[in-house]
Amino acid sequence: DAGITQSPRHKVTETGTPVTLRCHQTENHRYMYWYRQDPGHGLRLIHYSYGVKDTDKGEVSDGYSVSRSKTEDFLLTLESATSSQTSVYFCAIKMGGGSPPDTQYFGPGTRLTVL
Amino acid sequence: DQQVKQNSPSLSVQEGRISILNCDYTNSMFDYFLWYKKYPAEGPTFLISISSIKDKNEDGRFTVFLNKSAKHLSLHIVPSQPGDSAVYFCAASFGNEKLTFGTGTRLTIIP
Repeated sequence: DAGITQSPRHKVTETGTPVTLRCHQTENHRYMYWYRQDPGHGLRLIHYSYGVKDTDKGEVSDGYSVSRSKTEDFLLTLESATSSQTSVYFCAIKMGGGSPPDTQYFGPGTRLTVL
Repeated sequence: DQQVKQNSPSLSVQEGRISILNCDYTNSMFDYFLWYKKYPAEGPTFLISISSIKDKNEDGRFTVFLNKSAKHLSLHIVPSQPGDSAVYFCAASFGNEKLTFGTGTRLTIIP
């Protein structure tokens, strides 16, 4: 158990509204990631963070922004939600220590529906 | 450009038989490969990994094979059990920061 929680777990919103998803970890991991999962596309990286206030874009970052003001929280914001952002969003952390290198561990996901 | 490909969207296997899931990649810089398993309404869970300096890694019923010259890896599950029914994603990395995932294969184990 990597101690990752995501909130909310489900959200329905309307086109054009802002949405913020939260990822919270309890174990002080440096790296945190946001992915989206869509049929036929697998898991695609949106943004990731390698420390407080240090973030970088992934392959599908358009329309999304992130913030990390504390080690334990990584926020994903959709400034103006569109129907194409209907998806399941997963947060992940990269563990060090005894884990194999590069291994990421995932939260339970947030199902977002944009009407 | 899909750098990691899982060409079989689905696979059905009889319980007790071997399940073989395949994954191809195009980027020769990848040096670490992982398999994840995902049940509905849950996050992906890490299953097994392999470094590019090896060609095989085994963990219980799960074995991953890597063929670098063919840029191909496979996951073998022996024997297959009903609880193995899930979507399986392969992933690859270099530089130790980001993973690139395939599109997934849905494995169904038939009792």
